[in-house]
Amino acid sequence: GDSVTQMEGPVTLSEEAFLTINCTYTATGYPSLFWYVQYPGEGLQLLLKATKADDKGSNKGFEATYRKETTSFHLEKGSVQVSDSAVYFCALSDPNNQGGKLIFGQGTELSVKP
Amino acid sequence: ETGVTQSPTHLIKTRGQQVTLRCSSQSGHNTVSWYQQALGQGPQFIFQYYREEENGRGNFPPRFSGLQFPNYSSELNVNALELDDSALYLCASSLESWGSHEQYFGPGTRLTVT
Repeated sequence: GDSVTQMEGPVTLSEEAFLTINCTYTATGYPSLFWYVQYPGEGLQLLLKATKADDKGSNKGFEATYRKETTSFHLEKGSVQVSDSAVYFCALSDPNNQGGKLIFGQGTELSVKP
Repeated sequence: ETGVTQSPTHLIKTRGQQVTLRCSSQSGHNTVSWYQQALGQGPQFIFQYYREEENGRGNFPPRFSGLQFPNYSSELNVNALELDDSALYLCASSLESWGSHEQYFGPGTRLTVT
């Protein structure tokens, strides 16, 4: 079945460092790909999405490119801030399967130190 | 525009009891999905409701059941609670059940089973 694999955390960075969180997926169809962020004690917020190959999603300085050839959707940010500390989830949904349910990776915890 | 709301925020139940969790979808959204997030894990899809009908189900036993009402709000019911049911339960709403429509999450209900 469809699945998502993320790099394990926690990831600890200094403020203004470059961030990459790796995400790869397995899917039989043509999924849409998402990054969600979860701040402590809160629900999930959509960070960005891409719906087809070579699409680049971007928001709040974060970006990720849908790479069909490597089945990847890595999250990047050029300069992280302390306020970016959170857990990041990569997810996919197959629009033609089961009503677009989201399949999540296990999450990557990011801690940014001042 | 009101976002997705869930109640209660926290709940403590005893093994064997039954629980009902509630979710109000975002204005204009007719689709509600429920997810279970165990500590340190990514959310797992329980089921989805579209226009008051179940529209897809994950690998959860029948003691997990749900309802969607004409105003598109929803309930998740869990019977015969087990210790492993302790988790954060997330509700998400979207405009439609198909395609790559974004799912907007509520803050969750933290269920503890003792």
